[in-house]
Amino acid sequence: AQSVAQPEDQVNVAEGNPLTVKCTYSVSGNPYLFWYVQYPNRGLQFLLKYITGDNLVKGSYGFEAEFNKSQTSFHLKKPSALVSDSALYFCAVREFSPGYNKLIFGAGTRLAVHP
Amino acid sequence: NAGVTQTPKFQVLKTGQSMTLQCAQDMNHEYMSWYRQDPGMGLRLIHYSVGAGITDQGEVPNGYNVSRSTTEDFPLRLLSAAPSQTSVYFCASSYSGTRRNTIYFGEGSWLTVV
Repeated sequence: AQSVAQPEDQVNVAEGNPLTVKCTYSVSGNPYLFWYVQYPNRGLQFLLKYITGDNLVKGSYGFEAEFNKSQTSFHLKKPSALVSDSALYFCAVREFSPGYNKLIFGAGTRLAVHP
Repeated sequence: NAGVTQTPKFQVLKTGQSMTLQCAQDMNHEYMSWYRQDPGMGLRLIHYSVGAGITDQGEVPNGYNVSRSTTEDFPLRLLSAAPSQTSVYFCASSYSGTRRNTIYFGEGSWLTVV
């Protein structure tokens, strides 16, 4: 069975510092990986995805993620954090077959960026 | 840019009441689904549909019904609400066919059962 783990419940970062939100995965076959962000009382917004190709994926709001096959990781990164980046971040892996299409989510990591 | 629209955004129900969460998308997506979000558990799939007239169960279907009479709409029905159904519910949609397609989510429906 496919699974995703986000080992940190919360990440605290000072504004202007780089941030990393960790994600590891377990899949059979090639992984299709996604990051979503949820701002308070809002829905999930798509940030970026890895399908194939370059291991460094660039997404919305200055975020990027690094796919590492040997470490089965897909960590979310940003060079300089903003207070407005404070939110709940979810990593997910796609489980797919004809007639079936779902995302398997990690438990989420709360990012707190302090001024 | 409507995307995926859910109503209501907030609802309080009494135990045993029934209600329907509405979901509509204007992107002509074949695939629609409902997830529930609970603290520390991420999102879990309740029901999904790969097209009008076709629905199937996800991980946590008990206590919920769905139907898909049109491509655009995918309502979720709570038959007899229980406190364990207090959660945030998200509707999602995407094109079907390949796993490359991004799944888009609605704004969520916050449901409290007392």
